[in-house]
Amino acid sequence: TQLLEQSPQFLSIQEGENLTVYCNSSSVFSSLQWYRQEPGEGPVLLVTVVTGGEVKKLKRLTFQFGDARKDSSLHITAAQPGDTGLYLCAGPDSGTYKYIFGTGTRLKVLA
Amino acid sequence: ETGVTQTPRHLVMGMTNKKSLKCEQHLGHNAMYWYKQSAKKPLELMFVYNFKEQTENNSVPSRFSPECPNSSHLFLHLHTLQPEDSALYLCASSDYYNEQFFGPGTRLTVL
Repeated sequence: TQLLEQSPQFLSIQEGENLTVYCNSSSVFSSLQWYRQEPGEGPVLLVTVVTGGEVKKLKRLTFQFGDARKDSSLHITAAQPGDTGLYLCAGPDSGTYKYIFGTGTRLKVLA
Repeated sequence: ETGVTQTPRHLVMGMTNKKSLKCEQHLGHNAMYWYKQSAKKPLELMFVYNFKEQTENNSVPSRFSPECPNSSHLFLHLHTLQPEDSALYLCASSDYYNEQFFGPGTRLTVL
């Protein structure tokens, strides 16, 4: 069974700080997605990474897919209170329609 | 309307009630999903439908009954629920093995 472990589980930082969230697996994924979820709402897709070593940027967010496609990272530069939320990585379970979701990182950015 | 919609957004029901959750996707996807998200817990996959056919039932109690009349609509019929079934119920859709798109969720409270 494919698993995705995220670290850290919780992160509380001051506005303006930088942070990195990690998503790791012992299995190869054909792609990985990152979502952000706010309380009481559904997860919103931020990005999909497909190619090993790929780097994608979304404003102050930088996403990287590991060369071996077993891990990914999310780096936020100059965090803002609006970045607060639950960050989830996810990837397709090979050969099925199921998705594997990471354990989640709960981020709080203090003003 | 675009994306994935869910109704109602909030639902309070007694243990003897029968109610239904509705999900509609406007993305032309072929697969639809029901997830349960309890407070501070990871997403739990409940059901997967591919082209109206159920491909996954993740050992969900029979008091939850899904229905998928076509590729765009998904229902979750609820009856004789328990207080521990209170949670955020999320619907998602995807195209083959690509990323999932989520609806805003239904916050269910069982009294």
